[in-house]
Amino acid sequence: GAVVSQHPSWVICKSGTSVKIECRSLDFQATTMFWYRQFPKQSLMLMATSNEGSKATYEQGVEKDKFLINHASLTLSTLTVTSAHPEDSSFYICSALGSSVYGYTFGSGTRLTVV
Amino acid sequence: GIQVEQSPPDLILQEGANSTLRCNFSDSVNNLQWFHQNPWGQLINLFYIPSGTKQNGRLSATTVATERYSLLYISSSQTTDSGVYFCAVRMTTDSWGKLQFGAGTQVVVTP
Repeated sequence: GAVVSQHPSWVICKSGTSVKIECRSLDFQATTMFWYRQFPKQSLMLMATSNEGSKATYEQGVEKDKFLINHASLTLSTLTVTSAHPEDSSFYICSALGSSVYGYTFGSGTRLTVV
Repeated sequence: GIQVEQSPPDLILQEGANSTLRCNFSDSVNNLQWFHQNPWGQLINLFYIPSGTKQNGRLSATTVATERYSLLYISSSQTTDSGVYFCAVRMTTDSWGKLQFGAGTQVVVTP
């Protein structure tokens, strides 16, 4: 149980365009989901907390206008990278608290390359 | 915010060796998990262990919450154990339930 599905697995986009990443909880409802970013050889850095039906909460230093988060249902959160630039190239991972037994479950991640 | 320190940062093992990875944290936590990140980036949940000891095959973990540390033991290591091991914690006082990661331990198991 507690499966999180993330799509796409990888995406290449041109500078200036926008990219949407989806994160779905398949077998549980997630009122809260989390978005992380990971640069090569580094740890996961929390970007924002996504709350169903309300505005996301962003970590310090994360541009809320660049990284738009929508959590319209209890099973879906989306991250849109707007006006992407090469420095936004990174590995983006979502997670949700699946259960008190398994803890947090993570999606498989999205590797974004902006050219 | 909470500080999560993992040691060692890098570990090279010969196949069959045992090893211990450590995670220290600076504040009270009510959630601690160990993850293995494979070469494709997928985070594999190894243990959900806010306290106590758990074992799963060749892996085991112990968390002593009162002393603010956790240990991950790898016994009879195999080449498939290579990868990055992360410790992640949630502060007891964090109402949002945010999970904060340590810097990770890069493990390389050689044949």
